[in-house]
Amino acid sequence: GENVEQHPSTLSVQEGDSAVIKCTYSDSASNYFPWYKQELGKGPQLIIDIRSNVGEKKDQRIAVTLNKTAKHFSLHITETQPEDSAVYFCAASPIQGAQKLVFGQGTRLTINP
Amino acid sequence: DGGITQSPKYLFRKEGQNVTLSCEQNLNHDAMYWYRQDPGQGLRLIYYSQIVNDFQKGDIAEGYSVSREKKESFPLTVTSAQKNPTAFYLCASRPVVGLNEKLLFGSGTQLSVL
Repeated sequence: GENVEQHPSTLSVQEGDSAVIKCTYSDSASNYFPWYKQELGKGPQLIIDIRSNVGEKKDQRIAVTLNKTAKHFSLHITETQPEDSAVYFCAASPIQGAQKLVFGQGTRLTINP
Repeated sequence: DGGITQSPKYLFRKEGQNVTLSCEQNLNHDAMYWYRQDPGQGLRLIYYSQIVNDFQKGDIAEGYSVSREKKESFPLTVTSAQKNPTAFYLCASRPVVGLNEKLLFGSGTQLSVL
């Protein structure tokens, strides 16, 4: 089955700097890769997702890149702000079929003012 | 506003007691899911349902039970057989059966053992 590894487990950056979180996956059948942001005591919120037919997707200050050959994808947050502090999860699955989303272990991102 | 409502936000279980966590959605989503989250870990799938009156076990179903009598409701019962129930429980749903996109989560229930 699918296995998703996420790094780093914790990340601390200065406000205004960029943050990058990386994930690798094992199943070449996976072609859907969402990212979730979870604030303390709340449920995860979908912030961006990408299908494998594109290599990059942007939404304002966040972007996701995908390297299908190497089986890894990354979340990039530019011009970080204090409200970006949260736990971020990556996930992977095929778009269709019975397989379910498999999540990474999460990255705790702290933005230092 | 459409969304997923989980209740209660906090729940305490006594030894040998069964407890039920509620999950309701008004998004008209077909598929619903229950995940368990332990501190510092990812999300693990407990049960899921793609249609009313049908559900399947996830990766960690032992000690849990579910029902899906209505499209909008998917309650989770944590039974006394679950020996380590303390965790944050998340309900989720997605609009289209068979398409693994746009999984949306509720706000969660924190279950603790007294």
